[in-house]
Amino acid sequence: DGGITQSPKYLFRKEGQNVTLSCEQNLNHDAMYWYRQDPGQGLRLIYYSQIVNDFQKGDIAEGYSVSREKKESFPLTVTSAQKNPTAFYLCASSMGLPRGTQYFGPGTRLLVL
Amino acid sequence: QKEVEQNSGPLSVPEGAIASLNCTYSDRGSQSFFWYRQYSGKSPELIMSIYSNGDKEDGRFTAQLNKASQYVSLLIRDSQPSDSATYLCAPEHNAGNMLTFGGGTRLMVKP
Repeated sequence: DGGITQSPKYLFRKEGQNVTLSCEQNLNHDAMYWYRQDPGQGLRLIYYSQIVNDFQKGDIAEGYSVSREKKESFPLTVTSAQKNPTAFYLCASSMGLPRGTQYFGPGTRLLVL
Repeated sequence: QKEVEQNSGPLSVPEGAIASLNCTYSDRGSQSFFWYRQYSGKSPELIMSIYSNGDKEDGRFTAQLNKASQYVSLLIRDSQPSDSATYLCAPEHNAGNMLTFGGGTRLMVKP
């Protein structure tokens, strides 16, 4: 059963705390992406990775970090430097080719205590 | 200037009617265009992709692309209450592999 999984579904962060959101895919996709969605807004790109051990900043990378040690996994860390982290976080993957469709995981909702 | 513009809505149509969703974009180099549907609290799911000028039909959905006018639209025929969702337009960057999302249009289909 192929797909993209994200965990946890809900995550609570305390002030000054770093938290890590998990994203795993078994679609054999080369490219993976992290987006942030605020209520009533579209998706904004945080980070993306076209191949293992390489990633680039998106439009709103400040306060976030990522790693891509395995093709299947692309975890996102929300650091304490991100002052307004409350949002819906979406992970996506694609074949990484032009015209490649991006497929989304179910998302993680991050809330600040 | 926003790169991808969509009317936020809500667009309200009666059941059985045609819903017309519009999107304009600023990157003249965009070659591929995607429409995603997002139900409240859920992640986006792909509805249609279109790469060439003209119309592309898939069931009740028709995507229309006019690259000269930098305009892409999605028509939903015989709208159903289950079509009520937010529809996101996403042109691919000129460089490829990257999408820019519009803010979405919220569609409400009333029985």
